[in-house]
Amino acid sequence: GEDVEQSLFLSVREGDSSVINCTYTDSSSTYLYWYKQEPGAGLQLLTYIFSNMDMKQDQRLTVLLNKKDKHLSLRIADTQTGDSAIYFCADGPKGSARQLTFGSGTQLTVLP
Amino acid sequence: EPEVTQTPSHQVTQMGQEVILRCVPISNHLYFYWYRQILGQKVEFLVSFYNNEISEKSEIFDDQFSVERPDGSNFTLKIRSTKLEDSAMYFCASSEVGDSPLHFGNGTRLTVT
Repeated sequence: GEDVEQSLFLSVREGDSSVINCTYTDSSSTYLYWYKQEPGAGLQLLTYIFSNMDMKQDQRLTVLLNKKDKHLSLRIADTQTGDSAIYFCADGPKGSARQLTFGSGTQLTVLP
Repeated sequence: EPEVTQTPSHQVTQMGQEVILRCVPISNHLYFYWYRQILGQKVEFLVSFYNNEISEKSEIFDDQFSVERPDGSNFTLKIRSTKLEDSAMYFCASSEVGDSPLHFGNGTRLTVT
């Protein structure tokens, strides 16, 4: 079945850039998403990219999509302690199927 | 900014009891969803709902589960007879149209004892 994979942990120093990576297997998705989950909170939609785009920039966030390699990345510039959270990659919908498929999440820890 | 709201934030119930989890989707959204996240596992799709009927459901969404939009604002998930393995965080989501991004609520943590 369709799968979305992420590395589990990433640590960076405050002020550095963070790059969170994701790979997926199904290339028929309409969008690819990044959600942020802080402790005890819900899934906050950070950004998303339409599947026919290569890049999207939104303030400190840059999303890169490599369709050939089925690789998605999220770059956070000037990472702050408030960026510490779990970041989920997800893709969907696919055709008439509306559901999203999520990765396991990457725990980002920002060190002072 | 409009948001999806879920109540309660935490629900504890005994095995075999019925629970209803409540959600108020964003007001102009037409598609509604339930997802769940068992501790330490991925977020999993349960069901999607459009035009007052289920449009998709996963194999997790068996006869013990049901969804309803009882009025113009609420969207509920009912688990008829809870099992220990139903313990999870349940997320409600909504989207404007089927291809639009999903906006999630803060979740309801369900603990079945």
